[in-house]
Amino acid sequence: KQEVTQIPAALSVPEGENLVLNCSFTDSAIYNLQWFRQDPGKGLTSLLLIQSSQREQTSGRLNASLDKSSGRSTLYIAASQPGDSATYLCAAFSGGYNKLIFGAGTRLAVHP
Amino acid sequence: DGGITQSPKYLFRKEGQNVTLSCEQNLNHDAMYWYRQDPGQGLRLIYYSQIVNDFQKGDIAEGYSVSREKKESFPLTVTSAQKNPTAFYLCASKIPGPKNIQYFGAGTRLSVL
Repeated sequence: KQEVTQIPAALSVPEGENLVLNCSFTDSAIYNLQWFRQDPGKGLTSLLLIQSSQREQTSGRLNASLDKSSGRSTLYIAASQPGDSATYLCAAFSGGYNKLIFGAGTRLAVHP
Repeated sequence: DGGITQSPKYLFRKEGQNVTLSCEQNLNHDAMYWYRQDPGQGLRLIYYSQIVNDFQKGDIAEGYSVSREKKESFPLTVTSAQKNPTAFYLCASKIPGPKNIQYFGAGTRLSVL
């Protein structure tokens, strides 16, 4: 059974810090892994998708990496800003389950 | 604008009442999904539909029902059998292809009176 875990559950940092959010999954037979952003009371916005054959994806100040063998993905946020404050969710998709399995998210607060 | 529209944004249910959450998309996507999100938890799959007039149960389908009579619409009914319906409900649709890239609506927050 695929389980996705995100650590830490919450994080508070001063503006300008570089930070890393962690996501681990128990079944390495994934097709891809996605990182989403969720603002309070809102839906999800896809940030990055990493295919199983890829090691990382980058979009602006965001970089996501994937290590299937260890069952881990990280989301790196460079030079954090108050506007980055949100909950970040990762989700693994594998053909065997034919659905996205979500982690519980990391709630990030970036203070000025 | 193309997207997924969920309504209402807030909904209140009285005990014993059935309520229906609306989800409409104009993205021409075949597949649509309903998720439930509880505080501090990830999204859990309630129902999904790969094509019109077909749908399958997800992990937590008990107490819910759906229909898929039109490609654009995938309403979710929370029945009186769902004893703990208070949650944030998210609808999504998926672009064709194997990558399972899903687009999400803004959600409906359901509370019990």
